[in-house]
Amino acid sequence: ETGVTQSPTHLIKTRGQQVTLRCSSQSGHNTVSWYQQALGQGPQFIFQYYREEENGRGNFPPRFSGLQFPNYSSELNVNALELDDSALYLCASSLADNYGYTFGSGTRLTVV
Amino acid sequence: GESVGLHLPTLSVQEGDNSIINCAYSNSASDYFIWYKQESGKGPQFIIDIRSNMDKRQGQRVTVLLNKTVKHLSLQIAATQPGDSAVYFCAEITHRQTSGTYKYIFGTGTRLKVLA
Repeated sequence: ETGVTQSPTHLIKTRGQQVTLRCSSQSGHNTVSWYQQALGQGPQFIFQYYREEENGRGNFPPRFSGLQFPNYSSELNVNALELDDSALYLCASSLADNYGYTFGSGTRLTVV
Repeated sequence: GESVGLHLPTLSVQEGDNSIINCAYSNSASDYFIWYKQESGKGPQFIIDIRSNMDKRQGQRVTVLLNKTVKHLSLQIAATQPGDSAVYFCAEITHRQTSGTYKYIFGTGTRLKVLA
């Protein structure tokens, strides 16, 4: 059984740039959720994808967008990066009818 | 709005003692609650969960207590070990009827430090 893998593990971007983060779900999981975790804070819900469609969104601006592919892997895209976007971005996969999440180790994004 | 918060940002305990980490939540309609452990550089790791119709659940060295009257959740760790040092988060989970999926809200976390 494979877990959730995220890439890259670390990333440094300049303010105003765009970034794409990737996530491979655990085998068999059809739902993926993305979270932003600032230093010293709990994960904040960005959005969730189910069957390739957005299935819920947190309080994040439209410059945060995502995709889920037929193989259930996923991308998080952030446009016009701001310094406050610096955080650990976590991906979690699950089965739609099961509340148990499996988290990846995250991508540490630093915006300078 | 909905929120899940923790009372203590940092908890220091002696090795071998019991630890109690607390969490307050605001959504009385939450269906499940989960405690996660997060070590440095890693994603959250599931510890134990509890359904909203239960008030206590025990695992290996851990116990979760749910008090719906005061909307309070706690995690008890027995005989705390150095490997228990981490940040602990509670999460409340609500079932979305339309899609069958689940919505999570996390608390801000408590750092547990185990003193030798």
